[in-house]
Amino acid sequence: GIQVEQSPPDLILQEGANSTLRCNFSDSVNNLQWFHQNPWGQLINLFYIPSGTKQNGRLSATTVATERYSLLYISSSQTTDSGVYFCAVEETSGTYKYIFGTGTRLKVLA
Amino acid sequence: EAQVTQNPRYLITVTGKKLTVTCSQNMNHEYMSWYRQDPGLGLRQIYYSMNVEVTDKGDVPEGYKVSRKEKRNFPLILESPSPNQTSLYFCASSSPIAGQETQYFGPGTRLLVL
Repeated sequence: GIQVEQSPPDLILQEGANSTLRCNFSDSVNNLQWFHQNPWGQLINLFYIPSGTKQNGRLSATTVATERYSLLYISSSQTTDSGVYFCAVEETSGTYKYIFGTGTRLKVLA
Repeated sequence: EAQVTQNPRYLITVTGKKLTVTCSQNMNHEYMSWYRQDPGLGLRQIYYSMNVEVTDKGDVPEGYKVSRKEKRNFPLILESPSPNQTSLYFCASSSPIAGQETQYFGPGTRLLVL
């Protein structure tokens, strides 16, 4: 099955700094999503991005499907960005069988 | 408000006592899924369903059962819970329509099996 690796595993930033989180996957995918899990455990979808680039406020994401990676950019980080960021890929198109990476734990210091 | 609800949110039980965690969504989504989250392992899919009466195993189905008798509900059943099923469980739903496959998650259920 598809392997999904995220890096770095942990990241500590000062408020206002920028960061890039990476998601590598071992096979071609038609569905890739980024999620944020806040410190209270809630999982929020950030992007559905099988290819290309999307932006939402201070967050943006780029997936280069041909090279099997996706990047999540966080600019001007805030303490509320703290939590764990996961990427997830659909193992086979149309099956709804998802594989999650093990996440990047981000802590933003005030 | 579009949402996925789970009940109960917290549960402490003993080994072998059957339990059911309910999941319901109000977005008319065809797809529903159950995940468990354990420290250092991320989220792992237990079972998923592509529509009513259509379910399939994810990566860690052992010890769990599901049913999908109605589109909005997807309960997770632990027939004989064991301590290794202590975990944080999430239900999710999404649409199969291309470009709308965003997964929406419930608030989670923390289960402790003694």
